[in-house]
Amino acid sequence: DTGVSQNPRHKITKRGQNVTFRCDPISEHNRLYWYRQTLGQGPEFLTYFQNEAQLEKSRLLSDRFSAERPKGSFSTLEIQRTEQGDSAMYLCASSFAPPDTQYFGPGTRLTVL
Amino acid sequence: QKEVEQDPGPLSVPEGAIVSLNCTYSNSAFQYFMWYRQYSRKGPELLMYTYSSGNKEDGRFTAQVDKSSKYISLFIRDSQPSDSATYLCAMVTSGSRLTFGEGTQLTVNP
Repeated sequence: DTGVSQNPRHKITKRGQNVTFRCDPISEHNRLYWYRQTLGQGPEFLTYFQNEAQLEKSRLLSDRFSAERPKGSFSTLEIQRTEQGDSAMYLCASSFAPPDTQYFGPGTRLTVL
Repeated sequence: QKEVEQDPGPLSVPEGAIVSLNCTYSNSAFQYFMWYRQYSRKGPELLMYTYSSGNKEDGRFTAQVDKSSKYISLFIRDSQPSDSATYLCAMVTSGSRLTFGEGTQLTVNP
């Protein structure tokens, strides 16, 4: 499979717990993006990496969120002390720039109880 | 005001109809325009990518961009039940982050 993969696909957690999601981009894509999507809305940008460098972070990415992309391959997104408002679909996308066309993974659906 | 506004829908059409999906935007710095299709509980799938005003056709799909009016459209000809999904417009400046519309839910009835 040459597409973007994300794990886990679903995560249910209790408020206050920490969660970590993983994204494996398309091979040789140098850019990796994280977005968040709530029901009935379009995805919202969170952060992106070029190789291992995190180049941009949205104001949506509070101090409880951290993302890494060690060695410029897979990426992890960690949410500490989860809140009910964190319940959403977390989407990962990758691209090769230029032309930077972004291809999305299936997403990780997070439910915080 | 949101940077990208999309006709909210939902939209329900009979099989074989021509579908028109529309977005307007306020940021004149947007240079690249995309349409994604998203099935329920799946990730968005890229349909069309354009960077200039005018039309771009791919099979039953035509993307139209009018930069002077800050308006983009996606037309689907001979719509099929398998086209039932949420359609998202997305735009990007010279940077990298995509800015999405809210999506239009389309149902094509057999």
